[in-house]
Amino acid sequence: DGGITQSPKYLFRKEGQNVTLSCEQNLNHDAMYWYRQDPGQGLRLIYYSQIVNDFQKGDIAEGYSVSREKKESFPLTVTSAQKNPTAFYLCASSTPTRYQPQHFGDGTRLSIL
Amino acid sequence: SQELEQSPQSLIVQEGKNLTINCTSSKTLYGLYWYKQKYGEGLIFLMMLQKGGEEKSHEKITAKLDEKKQQSSLHITASQPSHAGIYLCGAVGFQKLVFGTGTRLLVSP
Repeated sequence: DGGITQSPKYLFRKEGQNVTLSCEQNLNHDAMYWYRQDPGQGLRLIYYSQIVNDFQKGDIAEGYSVSREKKESFPLTVTSAQKNPTAFYLCASSTPTRYQPQHFGDGTRLSIL
Repeated sequence: SQELEQSPQSLIVQEGKNLTINCTSSKTLYGLYWYKQKYGEGLIFLMMLQKGGEEKSHEKITAKLDEKKQQSSLHITASQPSHAGIYLCGAVGFQKLVFGTGTRLLVSP
C-alpha cells in the first residue's frame, strides 16, 4: 500500500547534538513538507519542497535543515541551533497542484535528554 | 499572513449528541481542508471544500464553506467514541497550507 513512513517514532536528543528525522513516501508525489506541532498551536511549516533538489523555508525554519536528493525522501535535521526542539514532527506529501490534499505520516516525537 | 481560528478549542459531548466545530479565516478562503488527528498520530484527510456554499458529507460528518463569512463549519451527527480526536482545518494558500490550532473532541459514553 502507498503511504508515508516516518522514523523513528520516538527520538531523544542530547544538548549540542544534531539529529535527523526520516521521511519516505511511495505515493509518487513531487511535493513534500515538514511540520512541527506543539500543544495548543496547531501545525507550523518548517520546510517544503516542490521538486527534487529544491526546497523553501517555511514559517519556522531557523535551527532546521533539509535535503531533497530523491523524490521519495525528505529528511529533516534538527540542529543544535534549535533551542527548543521538543515537539511532534509531521511529514506530508502531495501532488503540487493547488487543490490536492496533503497526506501525512504518523509523526516523530522528539524529546531532549 | 493568513490565520485560522478554530472554536471551540476543546469539546466534550455525550455519545449520540450532535456537535459543530467552526474555522474562521482572517483572509478570503479559496479552499479549505478538514483533517482528523488521533492523539500522537498523523493527520487523516476528511474532505476539501473549494466553493462558497459548498457542502460535503462523509459518513456522519458534514462540512460547509461560507465564503462571505470566511468560515467553515464541521458538523458531526450522533457522535460516537470513534469520532474522538483533534480536528484541524487547513486553508489553501500558494504552495502550502495554513492550519488552525485544532479542536480537541472527547466523546463520553
